[in-house]
Amino acid sequence: ETGVTQSPTHLIKTRGQQVTLRCSSQSGHNTVSWYQQALGQGPQFIFQYYREEENGRGNFPPRFSGLQFPNYSSELNVNALELDDSALYLCASSLVGPEGGYTFGSGTRLTVV
Amino acid sequence: SQQGEEDPQALSIQEGENATMNCSYKTSINNLQWYRQNSGRGLVHLILIRSNEREKHSGRLRVTLDTSKKSSSLLITASRAADTASYFCAPGSGNTGKLIFGQGTTLQVKP
Repeated sequence: ETGVTQSPTHLIKTRGQQVTLRCSSQSGHNTVSWYQQALGQGPQFIFQYYREEENGRGNFPPRFSGLQFPNYSSELNVNALELDDSALYLCASSLVGPEGGYTFGSGTRLTVV
Repeated sequence: SQQGEEDPQALSIQEGENATMNCSYKTSINNLQWYRQNSGRGLVHLILIRSNEREKHSGRLRVTLDTSKKSSSLLITASRAADTASYFCAPGSGNTGKLIFGQGTTLQVKP
């Protein structure tokens, strides 16, 4: 169903550690966005990348950072993990602009203990 | 970009019935999208309606948009147990592509 793959699917980290989540965009898509979804809430926009440059950021601290690579794959890095960072992290890709809708991956479930 | 607010927060119906969920937003939009999320999984794009459209169909889905009331509705006809999911609307007001989601409507379809 989806052309976006995320890895790993589940992850457990200790408070204070650093984590890298990965996303492989759907072929042909040049825009990638990352979202954080806490249990029972809607996804919250973290940031978006277009042609390897950050193209918009939500209300997240600088310890949330990202990269987009020339092949349009992407990483989300979170430093100094806090318990509240426990969530489902979703990656979504599209062609520039939302006209075709976004294709979401199945997410990475991060648990911080 | 702005947030859409879905209503009701939860909806429980019997299989075969229709399900209607609503979305309200605050400022002008270029388009509005609806997404579905099965439990703990990624979102699936259902339909996009542009600001100059009033109604759009896709299979058993019917979406309406009333820009004067700043609201949209999603109707699922002849619901099935597999329609059980959370549904989110995302108003779009530019070309940034940033989607702002509300808390969604959780739909339960009982067999």
